[in-house]
Amino acid sequence: DAKTTQPPSMDCAEGRAANLPCNHSTISGNEYVYWYRQIHSQGPQYIIHGLKNNETNEMASLIITEDRKSSTLILPHATLRDTAVYYCIVRVRGSNYQLIWGAGTKLIIKP
Amino acid sequence: GAGVSQSPSNKVTEKGKDVELRCDPISGHTALYWYRQSLGQGLEFLIYFQGNSAPDKSGLPSDRFSAERTGGSVSTLTIQRTQQEDSAVYLCASSPRGVGGIDTQYFGPGTRLTVL
Repeated sequence: DAKTTQPPSMDCAEGRAANLPCNHSTISGNEYVYWYRQIHSQGPQYIIHGLKNNETNEMASLIITEDRKSSTLILPHATLRDTAVYYCIVRVRGSNYQLIWGAGTKLIIKP
Repeated sequence: GAGVSQSPSNKVTEKGKDVELRCDPISGHTALYWYRQSLGQGLEFLIYFQGNSAPDKSGLPSDRFSAERTGGSVSTLTIQRTQQEDSAVYLCASSPRGVGGIDTQYFGPGTRLTVL
């Protein structure tokens, strides 16, 4: 699976959009981009995933560049409860199991 | 519906003792995963179960670690002769694998293991 690079930490003001970048320059054509987050002392929570097209769900939007070498997770109106570590992971759809986890981005939402 | 549950939530043990960690996956999920997470680190894959297939144990760090999954549901991770470096949060996840090819993993709250 491709390796991902994320900034170790970011701040965002409450109510503003939080934009979390992820580089995955070695991604293959059949590898999906997944985002999870982990709120302190809890298990990781699935947010969103995508292949080529931008995706949106009730939690977030995922913007993938045309060359697929990077992506951005957007939380449109961040709240204090969005403070968490956000993980960007790439993997082959339907491949086995394991998600290769990096250190993620610690997102702190400030009032 | 009920999510993935794990027990105990915390376990403190002495070096050299054996421990058992339990995971109850979401009902109907065919895939089950164990990970561990050291402080401030990402998750480290340990083992994977898929239906009735033989589990993939490639992530287990040593032969002191083993896991089983009974009846395709509940799983137990066993660590024998625990060492201090085994201290970590052990996370279990399940997935409705095969549903549309999307295999989002749903995680339990984890078991925090401390080996003194």
